Amino acid sequence: AQSVTQLDSHVSVSEGTPVLLRCNYSSSYSPSLFWYVQHPNKGLQLLLKYTSAATLVKGINGFEAEFKKSETSFHLTKPSAHMSDAAEYFCVVSDTPLGRLYFGRGTQLTVWP
Amino acid sequence: DTAVSQTPKYLVTQMGNDKSIKCEQNLGHDTMYWYKQDSKKFLKIMFSYNNKELIINETVPNRFSPKSPDKAHLNLHINSLELGDSAVYFCASSQVLGGAGGITYNEQFFGPGTRLTVL
Repeated sequence: AQSVTQLDSHVSVSEGTPVLLRCNYSSSYSPSLFWYVQHPNKGLQLLLKYTSAATLVKGINGFEAEFKKSETSFHLTKPSAHMSDAAEYFCVVSDTPLGRLYFGRGTQLTVWP
Repeated sequence: DTAVSQTPKYLVTQMGNDKSIKCEQNLGHDTMYWYKQDSKKFLKIMFSYNNKELIINETVPNRFSPKSPDKAHLNLHINSLELGDSAVYFCASSQVLGGAGGITYNEQFFGPGTRLTVL
């Protein structure tokens, strides 16, 4: 069975400091993994995706994530936070081939000036 | 052009009413989904259609009935609305693709959501 655990429900950082949002997964298959971002009262936007081509995945807005099979982790990082990064972030594992996505509970990122 | 669109964006209605939410995608995808996001922002899949065929049907009350008239549209009809149906409903679409090593992956594109409030 597939599941995702986001280890922090809230993360607060100061602008210009690094961001780390942690995610662990379990999957019966070779997983596809995603990070989505949801800004207040908005839909979900794909930040990045892991599809087995490379373990370090670069996404939009300077975010990247590293797939570590031995640790079953897919943590999201960014070297320097910006005020506009404040949002809810979801780690997601895919149940291929039916395409069912399993969402983590989300991490609320707050960025202080 | 909006890739995945939903109407209406907001829906306020009384308990017991019947309502529909419409979704359209212009990406040429073959699979569409409905998700429910609760007040704690947890997202869970409800239904999925592939080429107009129902392929995922989670444990959802049968008051919820999806309908896919064609590949580009997936509507959600809800009968006898209850207070607990209040949530944000997201439509999504995808095209299953091949990846490295033969593994398929599934990038889903989401609509802006419909906020349903049942009074």
